[in-house]
Amino acid sequence: DIQMTQSPSSLSASVGDRVTITCRASQGISDYLAWFQQKPGKAPKSLIYGASTLQSGVPSKFSGTGSGTDFTLTISSLQPEDFATYYCQQYNSYPITFGQGTRLEIK
Amino acid sequence: EVQLVESGGGFVQPGGSLRLSCAASGFTFSTYAMSWVRQAPGKGPEWVSAINGGGTSTYYADSVKGRFTISRDNSKNTLYLQMNSLRADDTAVYYCSKTPTLTPDYWGQGTLVTVSS
Repeated sequence: DIQMTQSPSSLSASVGDRVTITCRASQGISDYLAWFQQKPGKAPKSLIYGASTLQSGVPSKFSGTGSGTDFTLTISSLQPEDFATYYCQQYNSYPITFGQGTRLEIK
Repeated sequence: EVQLVESGGGFVQPGGSLRLSCAASGFTFSTYAMSWVRQAPGKGPEWVSAINGGGTSTYYADSVKGRFTISRDNSKNTLYLQMNSLRADDTAVYYCSKTPTLTPDYWGQGTLVTVSS
C-alpha cells in the first residue's frame, strides 16, 4: 500500500496569512493526488485533484503543486472559514489511501 | 445540483449485518464510478470500496474484503454497501462519494454505523 505522510500535523496561523501543507507519498504517484477540507461534524469537501486542478467552485486562494512523491497545498489570505483539517489522498493505485491530516488552527 | 443521501446506518451487534444505501441525483448516475469512504470517531478518512459506472468492476480495502459488498442499481440511481460480519472497528461514519477520476468530487452527508455489544 502507498503511505501518505502529511506535515505538519497541526499548524497555527492568523487571518490573512499564507500557509503551506506538505504531503509525501511512499512511492511515486505521478499527479494522482487530491486534497480535501473537513470541518468538525461535516463531510469532507473536495478541493483539488490531479495535484493542481481546482474542483468546481473552489476559490483560487487554494493551490496545489507537485508530482511524483512530493506535493504541497497552499492557502493564501486565510479567512476564518479556512480553519479546518486538510487531508491529502493518493488515487494512483488501489487501495486508495489518505494522509493523516493537518489541523489548521487560528493563532 | 448533485445530491448524495446516505441511509441505513444504525446500531448493530458484532457479527451482525447492515445495508447502506446512497440515493444520487443531479447527474447521470450510470456514467460515474462511485465509492464508499468511512471515518472512525476522531480519525481520518479511510477508503472502503469503489465500483465502476456499469457495476462490473469492484474494489475493496483489505480490511473489508470478503465481508462487504458494493453494488449499484442504475435504474434507481442508488449505490449500496452490504456489510456482513461487522466488527467493533467498523464503527464509523460512512460516506458515499461520486468519483469521476477515482477521487471524490462530491460527498454525501454520511451515515453513522455503530458496532457494539
